[in-house]
Amino acid sequence: GAGVSQSPRYKVAKRGQDVALRCDPISGHVSLFWYQQALGQGPEFLTYFQNEAQLDKSGLPSDRFFAERPEGSVSTLKIQRTQQEDSAVYLCASSLGGASPLHFGNGTRLTVT
Amino acid sequence: DQQVKQNSPSLSVQEGRISILNCDYTNSMFDYFLWYKKYPAEGPTFLISISSIKDKNEDGRFTVFLNKSAKHLSLHIVPSQPGDSAVYFCAASVNQFYFGTGTSLTVIP
Repeated sequence: GAGVSQSPRYKVAKRGQDVALRCDPISGHVSLFWYQQALGQGPEFLTYFQNEAQLDKSGLPSDRFFAERPEGSVSTLKIQRTQQEDSAVYLCASSLGGASPLHFGNGTRLTVT
Repeated sequence: DQQVKQNSPSLSVQEGRISILNCDYTNSMFDYFLWYKKYPAEGPTFLISISSIKDKNEDGRFTVFLNKSAKHLSLHIVPSQPGDSAVYFCAASVNQFYFGTGTSLTVIP
């Protein structure tokens, strides 16, 4: 496809379960970002990759959150031992890098029960 | 600490009139600014951007104005159409992108 693809669209997890969220960026986009969006809020930065290098992970809320992009294309955001406060929409975005806009996927809505 | 702020959670405008959405920022190092539009259950869609070396950028019905001395950004939509009804986010960038909390625009037919 031409856009950023995220899967699954919806995920329900019981508290304590591990989840993995996938992002397929636009082909050729070197930069990839993960954001967390709570209801009624703007996207909050989690982490950023340039190709396979994770250049900034300062937004990850705890060491239960882990992201990877091993081949510089597809990325996975993993959340271990999910908690109720992890419930949010997780957005992935990619860009050409530098002063170019982010292109977002439709997000994964995670609900932790 | 919110570096990008949208102080108006909502705005209603009559069809055909001008919509003005505002955004303030605190970090003078930001060098690239963007506006996004978001429909429910979709990701934000890029609308228009402006570099810090400019003070205006226009694309069809959308114009973005940047006032660096006031650290203020605005988006003008003229004329407003019912399909413009959505949540609008401003964003600012230096290395990473920071987003405001959004303004919900309703264009009344």
